[in-house]
This record gives sequence, structure tokens and C-alpha cells, in this order.
Amino acid sequence: NAGVTQTPKFRVLKTGQSMTLLCAQDMNHEYMYWYRQDPGMGLRLIHYSVGEGTTAKGEVPDGYNVSRLKKQNFLLGLESAAPSQTSVYFCASRGSLYEQYFGPGTRLTVT
Amino acid sequence: RKEVEQDPGPFNVPEGATVAFNCTYSNSASQSFFWYRQDCRKEPKLLMSVYSSGNEDGRFTAQLNRASQYISLLIRDSKLSDSATYLCVVNLKGGSQGNLIFGKGTKLSVKP
Repeated sequence: NAGVTQTPKFRVLKTGQSMTLLCAQDMNHEYMYWYRQDPGMGLRLIHYSVGEGTTAKGEVPDGYNVSRLKKQNFLLGLESAAPSQTSVYFCASRGSLYEQYFGPGTRLTVT
Repeated sequence: RKEVEQDPGPFNVPEGATVAFNCTYSNSASQSFFWYRQDCRKEPKLLMSVYSSGNEDGRFTAQLNRASQYISLLIRDSKLSDSATYLCVVNLKGGSQGNLIFGKGTKLSVKP
């Protein structure tokens, strides 16, 4: 039972480079989320999706884009990475009682 | 006032001790409540949901006080493996598509 998976697990980018983080879930959940977690800041919502083909902005959306072309996948894109985007990124999907299930995270460093 | 507030700790306790964490939330319309556990460099994992009547799962007891807008987590007979950060989480009724609001966490360290 895979649950929520994320790729890659680690990545180092140079300022200005782009990349896409992939999240996949096998629980048939409608809602999916992207968070970033920084020391002392807690989890902050970047973007979320309430179903295939939909996306919406969260608390800290600037510098990121997302797509949900398939129900099981939620992609997070960084078009032009900045050092301020160095963080741990978590994807999550939501169960029927509002609980969320998280992927293992992607550690991104932007130099 | 922050939406979800927790004492960051750390709480340093010996094995076998009983430890309690509290969490306050600002929005009285909050509907669902959870405790998550996060180990160092790992993802948050659902520990337990918190129901109005209170609920227990083994050594863990969660309580909700709507009048005072706080949630508590009690851990009895602490184990070394309980060392982690505990996140208080609330869901706001009618909030943006059921999004969860996470506290910054309380760090627990259980010592031999």
C-alpha cells in the first residue's frame, strides 16, 4: 500500500533553474495539497486541488505553479528557483474525515 | 492571535512519565481536530483524531474543550520511541475547501 509518494526525494538547484516535483496517491482521494516546511515556520500551504483539473492558491503560492491533470497526480513546478525556496516540500491527500496523509517529502536546496 | 498555538517545548521527560500537551485555536467555527506526530526529517503522520467526547488510543488520550477552545494530548507511560514533534491541527468549517491549519508543534524528548 503505497499511499502518497513523492519524487524526487532530494534535489539541488541553482538560482534560476526550473524543476517539477511529482506527487502521486493511490487512495482515490479528491483533494490534494502541497506544503512547504521551514524551521520555525511550521507547515504552510502552497497550492491545493479539490479534484482533477482544478487548482487553487494557498497561503504562499508565489513562485510556484501546479497542475492536476490526473486525479492521482499533483505536480508542483518552480519556474525560476530562488534561494528563498530552499525548503522541505510535502504533498498530502485528504481522506473522508478531513484527515490528511502526507508523502515522505522532497528536500530542495537552491544555491 | 495565531490560529493554532502550541508551546514549542522541548518537553524533556524520563521514560515512564506522563506528559500532556495543550493547544489553543482561535476560530470558534473550527470543526475537526487532530494530533499529528512528526519525527525528525520525516513527514507528519496522523496520530489521532480528537472528538468532542474525548478519545483514547492505548497510552494516548485526546480531549477537546470547545468552550475554552483548546485541545489536549496526554501520553502515559512514555517510551523512548515517543520522542517526536507533536502537531496540533484544526479544520475550519467552511474554510477553504476543508484545509487544515497546523500548529508549529511541541517537541517531546523522552530520556532513559
